[in-house]
Amino acid sequence: QVQLQESGPGLVKPSQTLSLTCTVSGGSISSGGYYWSWIRQHPGKGLEWIGYIYYSGSTYYNPSLKSRVTISVDMSTNQFSLKLSSVTVADTAVYYCARDTGGPMGWIDPWGQGTLVTVSS
Amino acid sequence: QSALTQPASVSGSPGQSITISCTGTSSDVGSYKLVSWYQQHPGKAPKLMIYEGSKRPSGVSNRFSGSKSGNTASLTISGLQAEDEADYYCCSYAGSSTLRVFGGGTKLTVL
Repeated sequence: QVQLQESGPGLVKPSQTLSLTCTVSGGSISSGGYYWSWIRQHPGKGLEWIGYIYYSGSTYYNPSLKSRVTISVDMSTNQFSLKLSSVTVADTAVYYCARDTGGPMGWIDPWGQGTLVTVSS
Repeated sequence: QSALTQPASVSGSPGQSITISCTGTSSDVGSYKLVSWYQQHPGKAPKLMIYEGSKRPSGVSNRFSGSKSGNTASLTISGLQAEDEADYYCCSYAGSSTLRVFGGGTKLTVL
């Protein structure tokens, strides 16, 4: 079955860009039919949807983060990535990548294990 | 967009049933019956428990069920077991700009 694994720096300095990669195994992003998502969870808090990308490159972002977020896909490596610019301590969170079926009928499954990113000088 | 509203905590004894509500607006839950529910144990990733409002993925116990009335979706867990103790989140489609919105989460304690 499809599995996802996040990777990237666990510590980022304020004002810099957070960059994470999600490696998909057990299935191909290029097969289509799914949206590839990023979701975060602040320490001790709830889930926040960041955005997702379709294999075609179409992207959809949370309006509250849209000005700072870029999600991209690399089908040659079966990976997709998140970049969040101008980070502050408020961006400290566990970041999850996940697969979304998309649209009004959508649900999110499976999820990666998550990776903690701390923003600190 | 505003998060969907869930109770902060619910509790029940083993064998009992509990219901977790998820209240939205006519723009999200009320417009779409297709709420999904996720279970999250401490330090773990969320796990899909209910999709399309009331459907269970393969492998999820039939003790978990979902429903909706108006702007409120509900997750019911019957025959509570110790392993059900976790945080539960609802998620809804919220329109073409916001797409996904989550509830604030409910901590379930099995007494």
